[in-house]
Amino acid sequence: GIQVEQSPPDLILQEGANSTLRCNFSDSVNNLQWFHQNPWGQLINLFYIPSGTKQNGRLSATTVATERYSLLYISSSQTTDSGVYFCAVGANRDDKIIFGKGTRLHILP
Amino acid sequence: GAVVSQHPSRVICKSGTSVKIECRSLDFQATTMFWYRQFPKKSLMLMATSNEGSKATYEQGVEKDKFLINHASLTLSTLTVTSAHPEDSSFYICSARGQNQPQHFGDGTRLSIL
Repeated sequence: GIQVEQSPPDLILQEGANSTLRCNFSDSVNNLQWFHQNPWGQLINLFYIPSGTKQNGRLSATTVATERYSLLYISSSQTTDSGVYFCAVGANRDDKIIFGKGTRLHILP
Repeated sequence: GAVVSQHPSRVICKSGTSVKIECRSLDFQATTMFWYRQFPKKSLMLMATSNEGSKATYEQGVEKDKFLINHASLTLSTLTVTSAHPEDSSFYICSARGQNQPQHFGDGTRLSIL
């Protein structure tokens, strides 16, 4: 099956800093989603982005499907951005998705 | 749009009890629902996939007699942890997907078996 690797595993930043999170995957995908899991366990959909670039406020994401990676950019970090960011991929759009191990982000005030 | 409601949010019960968790899609028809399990500081692990009106497909290593899944309608799926024991304690999360749509997740159920 598809393998998903996320880096870095942990990231500690000062409030206001920018960050880039990476997701590598081992095979072609037609489904890629980025999620933020907050400290209460809630999973928030950030982007559905099997290819291309999207932006939503301070967050943006780019997926280069041919090179099998996706990047999540967080600008001007706030303490509420803390939590775990997961990348999840699927071979087909209607298929199950496999989660990476996540990047644990801690934003210091 | 695309709201998924999961409840209860927290369950504490004695060993040997069976626990039912509900997952509802509130504003769309969920052709497929998924159940995940998450251990502390770990990633989400897919347990099973269920399509409305048919039997669930379980991932390797997941006991189907322990984790009963029912997907009787396009808006409701249930996961029943039968005769739960302390090792079944975990965070369980459901997701739902409509036709040609990404998955949307419930808020999870924290299950503690004493």
